[in-house]
Amino acid sequence: DAEITQSPRHKITETGRQVTLACHQTWNHNNMFWYRQDLGHGLRLIHYSYGVHDTNKGEVSDGYSVSRSNTEDLPLTLESAASSQTSVYFCASSPYLEGGITGELFFGEGSRLTVL
Amino acid sequence: DQQVKQNSPSLSVQEGRISILNCDYTNSMFDYFLWYKKYPAEGPTFLISISSIKDKNEDGRFTVFLNKSAKHLSLHIVPSQPGDSAVYFCAASVEGRDDKIIFGKGTRLHILP
Repeated sequence: DAEITQSPRHKITETGRQVTLACHQTWNHNNMFWYRQDLGHGLRLIHYSYGVHDTNKGEVSDGYSVSRSNTEDLPLTLESAASSQTSVYFCASSPYLEGGITGELFFGEGSRLTVL
Repeated sequence: DQQVKQNSPSLSVQEGRISILNCDYTNSMFDYFLWYKKYPAEGPTFLISISSIKDKNEDGRFTVFLNKSAKHLSLHIVPSQPGDSAVYFCAASVEGRDDKIIFGKGTRLHILP
């Protein structure tokens, strides 16, 4: 079965360290997204990609970067982790449909990151 | 500025009864609305959606109602089952675009035996 997987599921790091969260999907979806979920904020979009070599900033992109070298993977990098980036991170993908309208995101199980 | 508001953080409903989850939005440009369900330690899963050209969409036990004039939508679950206990996120997008989806904070639904 096609799926979307995130790793690591749990990570503890120190302030200032570089951290990379992996996201791999086997749906062959063109669209991939990174969200963070914080208490009192719901899900907020960090970065997204509509295809290989395409990346775009979302609502809360400061301090994060992504790269898309193939269809399956969209790693999220925190260049210098800060305590404010302690959160649960969700990767998602969606199929490209003509006109770009889907609305149905397929989410991974999440990566809980703690920055001390 | 919250564009999608779920004002009830939690809701408890007896098994077999109707669960009604509410959502309000402020951006009149939203034209596509969605509900996602989330269990603990899992990612959200898509539940049901509605376009702004409709006022109702039904899928089995789940029905979403849209009142554009009031900028309000609701999710009805009938009858409620124990497996419905989860956090429900309301979401809205502009032009139906995936990169324009704005999520609410979620409502935790407890189904009581």
